[in-house]
Amino acid sequence: QKEVEQNSGPLSVPEGAIASLNCTYSDRGSQSFFWYRQYSGKSPELIMSIYSNGDKEDGRFTAQLNKASQYVSLLIRDSQPSDSATYLCAVDRRALTFGSGTRLQVQP
Amino acid sequence: ETGVTQTPRHLVMGMTNKKSLKCEQHLGHNAMYWYKQSAKKPLELMFVYSLEERVENNSVPSRFSPECPNSSHLFLHLHTLQPEDSALYLCASSPEPQGKAEAFFGQGTRLTVV
Repeated sequence: QKEVEQNSGPLSVPEGAIASLNCTYSDRGSQSFFWYRQYSGKSPELIMSIYSNGDKEDGRFTAQLNKASQYVSLLIRDSQPSDSATYLCAVDRRALTFGSGTRLQVQP
Repeated sequence: ETGVTQTPRHLVMGMTNKKSLKCEQHLGHNAMYWYKQSAKKPLELMFVYSLEERVENNSVPSRFSPECPNSSHLFLHLHTLQPEDSALYLCASSPEPQGKAEAFFGQGTRLTVV
């Protein structure tokens, strides 16, 4: 079992729609969870962190965490073409462990 | 100036060459990392340094040799690499190596081994 699992996609949504990205993790002791965005040829950029069960909102982004289900998700509201990128889920253990990422395509 | 700076941005080297990648962070962080990103694979953690001490080495081949002379600088020395080592090498830093450790990445070095 992979430590951090994501659907590779691509996930295609129309402009203005809600994009939902999902991630599961295997280590029940994990306490910190992060979403990074990576544009093609660029380095990962931190967009959200979440540490407690429930929702955390920041602008158009909402991170959701369910530790009992070992599940973390990212919702992007009012998706824009500029949101097209690969979204990486990361879980903090001794250092960040990343999923393979989900490629999001927002269609104009 | 960006928080984490890597040089060079691109590097082409032969299998018999020796080269070094450099990373510098201006964030006052205590932990620094090297990650490798190959096509269609997750980011792979290579090394972790906390306060200049190596705290993790993820079974990385000895042809990769890290060096952390102080908490702001991190090097990755390369020698006798193989073509499969071609990848994007990313440096990151965080306040501490574990816990609520938001990591910030440099721009990466695109390495091609010929």
